[in-house]
Amino acid sequence: QVQLVESGGGVVQPGRSLRLSCAAFGFTFSSYAMHWVRQAPGKGLEWVTILSYDGSNKYYADSVMGRFTMSRDNSKNTLYLHMNSLTAEDTAVYYCARDMRGGNAFDMWGQGTMVTVSS
Amino acid sequence: QSALTQPASVSGSPGQSITISCTGTSSDVGGYNYVSWYQQYPGKAPKLMIYDVSKRPSGVSNRFSGSKSDNTASLTISGLQAEDEADYYCCSYTRSSTWVFGGGTKLTVV
Repeated sequence: QVQLVESGGGVVQPGRSLRLSCAAFGFTFSSYAMHWVRQAPGKGLEWVTILSYDGSNKYYADSVMGRFTMSRDNSKNTLYLHMNSLTAEDTAVYYCARDMRGGNAFDMWGQGTMVTVSS
Repeated sequence: QSALTQPASVSGSPGQSITISCTGTSSDVGGYNYVSWYQQYPGKAPKLMIYDVSKRPSGVSNRFSGSKSDNTASLTISGLQAEDEADYYCCSYTRSSTWVFGGGTKLTVV
């Protein structure tokens, strides 16, 4: 079955770090660029970062630049989001999403994993 | 990276048509034909409805259509159905090689 499955969310104290994972199933993961998108409780979607299919190119939203790092292991069909210096403003559901081939959009989404930054 | 501007809410009756606008700048919406629209039900992941301004992915009803004029993109839903009641988000590629979403529009089918 073609799907993305995120994991690694939880409650973390301000200033601490957390790593999210996104496992891909049913498609050739190594051929696709991937994104992370987040959604704070009751708020809209916010694009976070994109990583090219081979990990050579990445871009970040200003709100996470210098604190978040996206990486991938194509041998494990897994995407990662390393989050450092977390603040309450990072509290959100984090979705991984596939970059559409032949289009410019996010054509597949995971179910999301919740990150709560709180003391 | 300012969010694109969408109306907070729109409403319509079954069978009617509604349009949701999405306003950006020449650095995003106006500069590229890379606007997409997503439907999201409460507690669920977003679903792609329109990409590259006006293209529909396989499986999306032809009641959904998209367009763009200058810095404003639009999503039109015709023949409104109760199941269309959801949140809708626009998204655009930007000059900075990043992506930006709109604030979201809550569609109510009354």
